[in-house]
Amino acid sequence: AQSVSQHNHHVILSEAASLELGCNYSYGGTVNLFWYVQYPGQHLQLLLKYFSGDPLVKGIKGFEAEFIKSKFSFNLRKPSVQWSDTAEYFCAGNNFNKFYFGSGTKLNVKP
Amino acid sequence: EAQVTQNPRYLITVTGKKLTVTCSQNMNHEYMSWYRQDPGLGLRQIYYSMNVEVTDKGDVPEGYKVSRKEKRNFPLILESPSPNQTSLYFCASSLSSGQASTDTQYFGPGTRLTVL
Repeated sequence: AQSVSQHNHHVILSEAASLELGCNYSYGGTVNLFWYVQYPGQHLQLLLKYFSGDPLVKGIKGFEAEFIKSKFSFNLRKPSVQWSDTAEYFCAGNNFNKFYFGSGTKLNVKP
Repeated sequence: EAQVTQNPRYLITVTGKKLTVTCSQNMNHEYMSWYRQDPGLGLRQIYYSMNVEVTDKGDVPEGYKVSRKEKRNFPLILESPSPNQTSLYFCASSLSSGQASTDTQYFGPGTRLTVL
């Protein structure tokens, strides 16, 4: 079955620490991948997306993600997190007009 | 302002009482979609629509209906709600089905539904 999985369910970091959230997809064909962020009480916002070309994608707020085809992965990274990055992060994939979301990772950044 | 609106934002109802959650977008988007968000499960797609009168099932369509009579509106209908449909629901829209690199899915503010 086509799916997207996130293995880190809850991550706690101190400010200025580096962040890497894992995401794996399990479908073939055209691979379009996304990372969304959901701040407390708000709706989802797009952080970045990968469609083709350069596997290192840069998004908003200093986030980036790397598409590694051989590992079926699309991990999200940020070199130095801030308290304002506290949120839930969702990886998503798009295939044949459908969207598949991971279960989400809650990031808690301690000031 | 470009936006996706949903109504109501909060709804408490009882088992079996038909309800409709409205969704409207003002961006002339062709693709619209409904998701439910449950703790530990992320977002799961219920139904999507490629254009007017074109709808298709997502991963969890059981117990839901949709219609797309106008481009801007995509209501979600629960004919006979049950407690397992208690969830947070999001509507989203985009120019196309996410196949274009310039495409972005815009999400509504969410509808928190409780079925007693």
